[in-house]
Amino acid sequence: KQEVTQIPAALSVPEGENLVLNCSFTDSAIYNLQWFRQDPGKGLTSLLLIQSSQREQTSGRLNASLDKSSGRSTLYIAASQPGDSATYLCAVSDTGRRALTFGSGTRLQVQP
Amino acid sequence: DAGVIQSPRHEVTEMGQEVTLRCKPISGHDYLFWYRQTMMRGLELLIYFNNNVPIDDSGMPEDRFSAKMPNASFSTLKIQPSEPRDSAVYFCASSTTPDTQYFGPGTRLTVL
Repeated sequence: KQEVTQIPAALSVPEGENLVLNCSFTDSAIYNLQWFRQDPGKGLTSLLLIQSSQREQTSGRLNASLDKSSGRSTLYIAASQPGDSATYLCAVSDTGRRALTFGSGTRLQVQP
Repeated sequence: DAGVIQSPRHEVTEMGQEVTLRCKPISGHDYLFWYRQTMMRGLELLIYFNNNVPIDDSGMPEDRFSAKMPNASFSTLKIQPSEPRDSAVYFCASSTTPDTQYFGPGTRLTVL
């Protein structure tokens, strides 16, 4: 059974800092990996999707990498802003089941 | 498009009562997913449908939980009888593929 772990569970940084969120998964037979953002009381918004054949994806100040063989992904946020404060969730889609398995998330707070 | 619509947004009920959560997917999306999010277990897939047919219900916790999708624009998740441990936020998501899912705002259920 696929398990997804995210480290750290919480992170507080000053505005402008570059930061890295980590995600690891136990079964490397994935179809893709996604990073989501969740604001308090809201649903999830997909930020980046990396197919299993890709190594990274970029969108604005966000960059996500994937190392399928080692079961790891990182989300890099450049020049963090208070508006980036949210919970960031990593999820993998298995080749067989094609449904998403989520990590428990990293709660990020960016201090102005 | 209005996005995925869920109702009610908040539900408070007494233990033993029947609870029905509703979801309207984005028009044209033929995948529909029900998730549950708790502090202890994070975000878990309960069931998903493709073209109104249940594909994977392995995440449905007990027989007290049932889900239906009578047509392409409506789905329900029913809990009967409800228990305090069912308290959680229930999300519905829809998509045209299993991987890129659009989430609704969620229903916060409290069972007293």
